[in-house]
Amino acid sequence: EAGVAQSPRYKIIEKRQSVAFWCNPISGHATLYWYQQILGQGPKLLIQFQNNGVVDDSQLPKDRFSAERLKGVDSTLKIQPAKLEDSAVYLCASSRPSGSSYEQYFGPGTRLTVT
Amino acid sequence: GQQVMQIPQYQHVQEGEDFTTYCNSSTTLSNIQWYKQRPGGHPVFLIQLVKSGEVKKQKRLTFQFGEAKKNSSLHITATQTTDVGTYFCAGPRSSARQLTFGSGTQLTVLP
Repeated sequence: EAGVAQSPRYKIIEKRQSVAFWCNPISGHATLYWYQQILGQGPKLLIQFQNNGVVDDSQLPKDRFSAERLKGVDSTLKIQPAKLEDSAVYLCASSRPSGSSYEQYFGPGTRLTVT
Repeated sequence: GQQVMQIPQYQHVQEGEDFTTYCNSSTTLSNIQWYKQRPGGHPVFLIQLVKSGEVKKQKRLTFQFGEAKKNSSLHITATQTTDVGTYFCAGPRSSARQLTFGSGTQLTVLP
């Protein structure tokens, strides 16, 4: 099966600019996650979707970050305006909505550099 | 909130030496997962442990879940250069199928 797709792979922007990331999860995976991974740290959950509904966005900085998952498939994560501390890898992951396995499948990530 | 801690943060070994990373949770876990992230890559699922005291092996990798289900370890026997990467443990933090990741152990294998 095809894996989680993300684009772009790399993005360099200046602070105060806006940026958007796209994710296409594995077919049939109803649950989609966006993570922020700062260099040297583990992935930190930003937002979780179940189909097209938000399950948890408690760690999403809502003054500048937004995310949507229209039609319960693809998702976009936007940052506006970007700050220097937003420099990180943004990972999208998907998983099956039920069952005993909590395995998450990660995409290749988007490496964002804010200058 | 739930915290998942890993030690050591970094480990350099000579090829052929063994390696162990330890994971500790502030709360009892229903299960624990391990992921590997190669340099420049993304986390890839290795295994999930569910039962208290469970031990699972994958070739040279041995995973263990503590009796109290609050700690876990990953042991690699006779490391190879292909083992290079960062190893993360992750525990579920809610009924919503979310994971809290540890900070990871970065393994370097010197040839």
